[in-house]
Amino acid sequence: NAGVMQNPRHLVRRRGQEARLRCSPMKGHSHVYWYRQLPEEGLKFMVYLQKENIIDESGMPKERFSAEFPKEGPSILRIQQVVRGDSAAYFCASSPRTGLISGANVLTFGAGSRLTVL
Amino acid sequence: GENVEQHPSTLSVQEGDSAVIKCTYSDSASNYFPWYKQELGKRPQLIIDIRSNVGEKKDQRIAVTLNKTAKHFSLHITETQPEDSAVYFCAHNSGNTGKLIFGQGTTLQVKP
Repeated sequence: NAGVMQNPRHLVRRRGQEARLRCSPMKGHSHVYWYRQLPEEGLKFMVYLQKENIIDESGMPKERFSAEFPKEGPSILRIQQVVRGDSAAYFCASSPRTGLISGANVLTFGAGSRLTVL
Repeated sequence: GENVEQHPSTLSVQEGDSAVIKCTYSDSASNYFPWYKQELGKRPQLIIDIRSNVGEKKDQRIAVTLNKTAKHFSLHITETQPEDSAVYFCAHNSGNTGKLIFGQGTTLQVKP
């Protein structure tokens, strides 16, 4: 099992450009979460998706940020017109199921994508 | 609400001593409380977790305790070693969607 795969690992963009970050969940996992981590800070929830559905986007900035998890292919976090404040590590995590009767999610994280905006 | 307070923010101990990190949450519906360890430049990795139907769980030198009534849980590391040095994050699930809400992190330094 290859684990949660994220790419690119490092991405450099100039202000105003677009950034696309990709995440392939672990095999058998159908739930994907995106978190942002600023330098020396904690993990801030952004969005939770299942295949073709956004379940919770309460942590997503209202503008410029979007996420999708299509029926086929990886989940994508898209940041349009990047600004310096978008520079951060973006972590994707996946889990096999939701917190139903038997318990909550166990999240496995990818290695992260580090975005630098010049 | 979706909030978890984690203390202390930094912790320095001598090798062989114990380390304790505490978290307080407010979401009454939370029933899953994991702890993650993140080394510099690496991904967060799950080290131990506890569910609300138990009060304590132990795995070798690591233990976690949960007090659901008081809404706080703690990580205990005994016989600390230099390789325990890292940032530790507590978390709890949000009752509505199952996402994890993380604490602010504790930077643990174990001095040889």
